[in-house]
Amino acid sequence: EVQLLESGGGFVQPGGSLRLSCAASRFTFSSSAMSWVRQAPRKGLEWVSGISGSGGDTYYADSVKGRFTISRDNSKNTLYLEMNSLRAEDTAIYYCAKDRWKSTIRDFDSWGQGTLVTVSS
Amino acid sequence: DIQMTQSPSSLSAFVGDRVTITCRASQSIGTFLNWYQEKPGKAPNLLIYASSGLQSGVPSRFSGSGYGTDFTLTISSLQPEDFAIYYCQQSYSTPITFGQGTRLDIK
Repeated sequence: EVQLLESGGGFVQPGGSLRLSCAASRFTFSSSAMSWVRQAPRKGLEWVSGISGSGGDTYYADSVKGRFTISRDNSKNTLYLEMNSLRAEDTAIYYCAKDRWKSTIRDFDSWGQGTLVTVSS
Repeated sequence: DIQMTQSPSSLSAFVGDRVTITCRASQSIGTFLNWYQEKPGKAPNLLIYASSGLQSGVPSRFSGSGYGTDFTLTISSLQPEDFAIYYCQQSYSTPITFGQGTRLDIK
């Protein structure tokens, strides 16, 4: 069974930075596009960013473009999200999600358990 | 960006009922529409991909249909474990967008 384990969440002040990681196992990591999806308290799901299996193509929601950077290390089976200039509205559970496709962002067939990011002064 | 609108926002039903949830896209997305189920404290679970494809392991009482802008998720006979929040998601273009969710409660 696919395993996705997020880490790196925590409490940060507005304007601060965090780096999330997602350790993947039990599937061929480089064969799957990956995404980060977040859920603010008592809100719905919001796709944040995605990356192709090779890492050559990246995609972002308008709300995070220019502030967040997605990357992956296929040799370490790990997905990352570098988050800068954090705002209160970035407070959410951040999920790592595996795509059924390799080269494009389509549908998420496995999810991690999520890591909580809280941005507050 | 493509806006996804679900209806109803909430729904109460009995075990054994047939339930339909609707999702509308702000522009045509072909069959690039997926459905997820979310239960409290758990990550979402993919139910239906490409409008009507049943994800492996998902019970056959779940079905999806639609093309273009209008889509439906149907649960043929509600089971106690089906009470949850359901989201549609378009994968036609980035940014990927989700509907606002439909909460399905026990009546």
